[in-house]
Amino acid sequence: DSGVTQTPKHLITATGQRVTLRCSPRSGDLSVYWYQQSLDQGLQFLIQYYNGEERAKGNILERFSAQQFPDLHSELNLSSLELGDSALYFCASSAGTSGQETQYFGPGTRLLVL
Amino acid sequence: GQQVMQIPQYQHVQEGEDFTTYCNSSTTLSNIQWYKQRPGGHPVFLIQLVKSGEVKKQKRLTFQFGEAKKNSSLHITATQTTDVGTYFCAGRSTGGFKTIFGAGTRLFVKA
Repeated sequence: DSGVTQTPKHLITATGQRVTLRCSPRSGDLSVYWYQQSLDQGLQFLIQYYNGEERAKGNILERFSAQQFPDLHSELNLSSLELGDSALYFCASSAGTSGQETQYFGPGTRLLVL
Repeated sequence: GQQVMQIPQYQHVQEGEDFTTYCNSSTTLSNIQWYKQRPGGHPVFLIQLVKSGEVKKQKRLTFQFGEAKKNSSLHITATQTTDVGTYFCAGRSTGGFKTIFGAGTRLFVKA
């Protein structure tokens, strides 16, 4: 158990819909990262937040947005969903933002868009 | 932009054989991390290398960071079925803000 929690574990929805994925980082961690992993693919970095502020942006679509709240939990919002958005979405957390901290990954949310 | 390439994409070995995965960056890295993802699981941190030419060992696993800090390798001696999974490298460019993951090498071990 990494200490990072993600809800829900599974999500099935239809094209055009909007969903929200939630992540609670490890106690004390200030950074939260979101990744997308398609079937048998690598980890695509989406976005990072540090202490409530956006820190780095990866290949995140305009239909996707995220935020980190004062209690440090984070939400990833996916809208106008397409079939290709079906994937495993991981949240990870780390203590800081130097890039030399270990990232602790949550169990992931498996999204299926039908 | 920064790219991290990892080869091979897949590797099938017989139990007891050695295995190596290579990671190459288009830019100089400040550090490199390695993660393992078991089938159906989430990535788990293995190790971090920071110094040029650094070599670290964890039991049967040997990690190397190149002298130029642009490449790295993970070598597993005498693979076991418990080594099955996908191994990812992840690096951040010197002065950069993003840690970029390689595409991973998926290891299959036949008993």
